[in-house]
Amino acid sequence: GAVVSQHPSWVICKSGTSVKIECRSLDFQATTMFWYRQFPKQSLMLMATSNEGSKATYEQGVEKDKFLINHASLTLSTLTVTSAHPEDSSFYICSASAGIYNSPLHFGNGTRLTVT
Amino acid sequence: SQKIEQNSEALNIQEGKTATLTCNYTNYSPAYLQWYRQDPGRGPVFLLLIRENEKEKRKERLKVTFDTTLKQSLFHITASQPADSATYLCAPNFGNEKLTFGTGTRLTIIP
Repeated sequence: GAVVSQHPSWVICKSGTSVKIECRSLDFQATTMFWYRQFPKQSLMLMATSNEGSKATYEQGVEKDKFLINHASLTLSTLTVTSAHPEDSSFYICSASAGIYNSPLHFGNGTRLTVT
Repeated sequence: SQKIEQNSEALNIQEGKTATLTCNYTNYSPAYLQWYRQDPGRGPVFLLLIRENEKEKRKERLKVTFDTTLKQSLFHITASQPADSATYLCAPNFGNEKLTFGTGTRLTIIP
């Protein structure tokens, strides 16, 4: 089945530093990748949609300069949390789509970010 | 704006019984609806997809129904097992690539 690898699985960083999270589709080409954020005991909140080779589309309220998304190839998207603050601590999850309408999304296993 | 509610936040079911989870939405009917399972600290895993013109879908012990009149989908797990304990998310799709996830139901199967 389709596999999405997300790395790192957890990261602790100091306030003010930047953190990069990678999302790779291992056995299929992902024309679209989605980035979600999830707080404890809450559902997934879509942050942005990224299409290979074009700028990401951010959801309302998500700062594009703070959460930089790059989708440089059909198998890799990255999310960089810039100048991280403790309130950015959360569980970040990516998912990938092969671009086929109404097909399931394949999720990575998430990255637990803790900003101290 | 579209609202998706899953009742209830937590559900405890005795092992061997059928667990039934609900997903209600407002306003527009989705073109299709997906159900996912999420274990703690992991990403969601796809379970079933049902289209708006389908009433019911089955996969092993899982069954999903879709009632566009009631604006509701039901997710059933028959002969439930402790290994079925997880959070279950419904995700309607309203005609584009984006999925909007429900609030989730944390299911616990009690041995």
